Amino acid sequence: GAVVSQHPSWVICKSGTSVKIECRSLDFQATTMFWYRQFPKQSLMLMATSNEGSKATYEQGVEKDKFLINHASLTLSTLTVTSAHPEDSSFYICSAPPYQGATDANTGELFFGEGSRLTVL
Amino acid sequence: GENVEQHPSTLSVQEGDSAVIKCTYSDSASNYFPWYKQELGKRPQLIIDIRSNVGEKKDQRIAVTLNKTAKHFSLHITETQPEDSAVYFCAARVLYNFNKFYFGSGTKLNVKP
Repeated sequence: GAVVSQHPSWVICKSGTSVKIECRSLDFQATTMFWYRQFPKQSLMLMATSNEGSKATYEQGVEKDKFLINHASLTLSTLTVTSAHPEDSSFYICSAPPYQGATDANTGELFFGEGSRLTVL
Repeated sequence: GENVEQHPSTLSVQEGDSAVIKCTYSDSASNYFPWYKQELGKRPQLIIDIRSNVGEKKDQRIAVTLNKTAKHFSLHITETQPEDSAVYFCAARVLYNFNKFYFGSGTKLNVKP
């Protein structure tokens, strides 16, 4: 299957600093990537959709200025948590469908990165 | 946006018994329904999926059913084994607006040996 790689796996930072998380599609081109946040023992909450060549689209309630998303190329999307605070501590995970732009009901499996656990002190 | 609800939140079964997890969705434009298994600290892994033009799909001990009219779908695991213990998520993909995936709240399955 398609491979999505995410780095770093773990990051600890001080309150007020910014943290960048990278998500790469290794064997396919991704014009779209999804960023999710997962609290302990909870579900995957869709934060935003990253679009290569255009602005990200954010879900309702997600602060655009707090969570900056950049889709620099067809294989790389980044999430930057700006001015991080302890409440931003969470598991962040990116994902991409390998069949980009597909509307065919026979395609659409979502492949996930390894996830990044952020701890803000 | 789409709203996916999942029940139960926790499920304990004896090894060899069956387990059923149910999900409902709200957006009739959703056309693809995958189920993911997530072990602690790891990425979700697809275990089975179903498209909106199919009512049932089976893969060995795992099956999924879909009722489009009622907007609900279910995961069935038969002959459960301890290694089936994990958190299971259902999801619905909306066929517009970048084909976003929305996830249920998850079910923690514990299979007791």
